[in-house]
Amino acid sequence: GAVVSQHPSWVICKSGTSVKIECRSLDFQATTMFWYRQFPKQSLMLMATSNEGSKATYEQGVEKDKFLINHASLTLSTLTVTSAHPEDSSFYICSADDGISGNTIYFGEGSWLTVV
Amino acid sequence: GENVEQHPSTLSVQEGDSAVIKCTYSDSASNYFPWYKQELGKRPQLIIDIRSNVGEKKDQRIAVTLNKTAKHFSLHITETQPEDSAVYFCAASSGGYQKVTFGIGTKLQVIP
Repeated sequence: GAVVSQHPSWVICKSGTSVKIECRSLDFQATTMFWYRQFPKQSLMLMATSNEGSKATYEQGVEKDKFLINHASLTLSTLTVTSAHPEDSSFYICSADDGISGNTIYFGEGSWLTVV
Repeated sequence: GENVEQHPSTLSVQEGDSAVIKCTYSDSASNYFPWYKQELGKRPQLIIDIRSNVGEKKDQRIAVTLNKTAKHFSLHITETQPEDSAVYFCAASSGGYQKVTFGIGTKLQVIP
């Protein structure tokens, strides 16, 4: 199946700083990628839909100025958590649709963010 | 928007027994229903999926059924093994580049 790579896998940052997470489709082009957040023992909650070449679509309750999404190419989407706070600590996962497998989505490895 | 409900939230079975996880969805436009297995700290892995033009699909010990009229779909795991222990998520999507809505997850424990 298609491969989606996410980096970094683990990141620790100080409160008030920003951290960037990258999501890459390695063997296909993805016009659309999705960013999820998963708190411990909870489900995946969609944060936003990342569209190549245009603004991301954010889910209700997700602050677009805090979670900056950039999808500048067909193989890369980035999520930047700005002015991070401890409550932003979570597992962030991206996914992408390769467009040819009939809706099958592929997840990145996920990124554990800890804000101290 | 779509709402996916999943139950049970936890499930313990003896090794060799069957496990069944059930989900319901609300959006009649949904036509793609994947199931994911997630081990602690790892990405969800697609284990099986079903589309709205199919009522049942089987892959070795795993099967999924779909009842579009009732908006129900279920995951069946037979001859469970300890390595089946994980959290399982059902999901629904209306296709294309539409977002996928996940259920809350079921923590399955297979007792040796």
